[in-house]
Amino acid sequence: QVQLVESGGGVVQPGRSLRLSCAASGFTFSNYAIHWVRQAPGKGLEWEWVAVISYDGSNKYYADSVKGRFTISRDNSKDTLWLQMNSLKTEDTAVFYCARANKGGDAFDLWGQGTMVAVSS
Amino acid sequence: QSVLTQPRSVSGSPGQSVTISCTGTSSDIGGYSYVSWYQQFPGKAPKLMIYDVNKRPSGVPDRFSGSKSGNTASLTISGLQAEDEADYYCCSYVGRYPYVFGTGTKVTVL
Repeated sequence: QVQLVESGGGVVQPGRSLRLSCAASGFTFSNYAIHWVRQAPGKGLEWEWVAVISYDGSNKYYADSVKGRFTISRDNSKDTLWLQMNSLKTEDTAVFYCARANKGGDAFDLWGQGTMVAVSS
Repeated sequence: QSVLTQPRSVSGSPGQSVTISCTGTSSDIGGYSYVSWYQQFPGKAPKLMIYDVNKRPSGVPDRFSGSKSGNTASLTISGLQAEDEADYYCCSYVGRYPYVFGTGTKVTVL
């Protein structure tokens, strides 16, 4: 079954760290760039693009709001993607989705079900 | 990052057509043909419905169609069905990061 499955979410205090995982199955993970996208409950369910990593891990890009705090990485031998989140802020509270880039790189053609991150004191 | 503007909600009766607008600027929607649309049911994974303004991925019913005029993209659902009741989001890619998303529209089938 072609799918992405996120895990690692939870409740964390401001300033602390959390690492999210995204396990891929049913397709050749190493052929695709993968993104993280988040949806914040406090912003009318608005989506925000967070980061992307190229198919081989050689290129990584981040939204300005997370640059310097979040790190995206992958292990193609394990078909797994990670998002290391440091110095978390209350405004990082959101459901985090991993999403596969389509061949053209302009859309997201496969999404996980999401994992909730709540940053609260 | 900027946000694309969508109506908060649209509604229609079964069999009717509804159109969701997604308004941006000449720097995003107006300048590029990389608009995508996503369907999301509460608590579920989003699903790609339209990409490159008007292309449908395999498996998406042909009652879903996309278009663009100027700085506004649109998603039309023809022959509305009860199963189409969901949230819909647009997205614009301008050839570089970040991607910009719409505010989301709830489609209600009356």
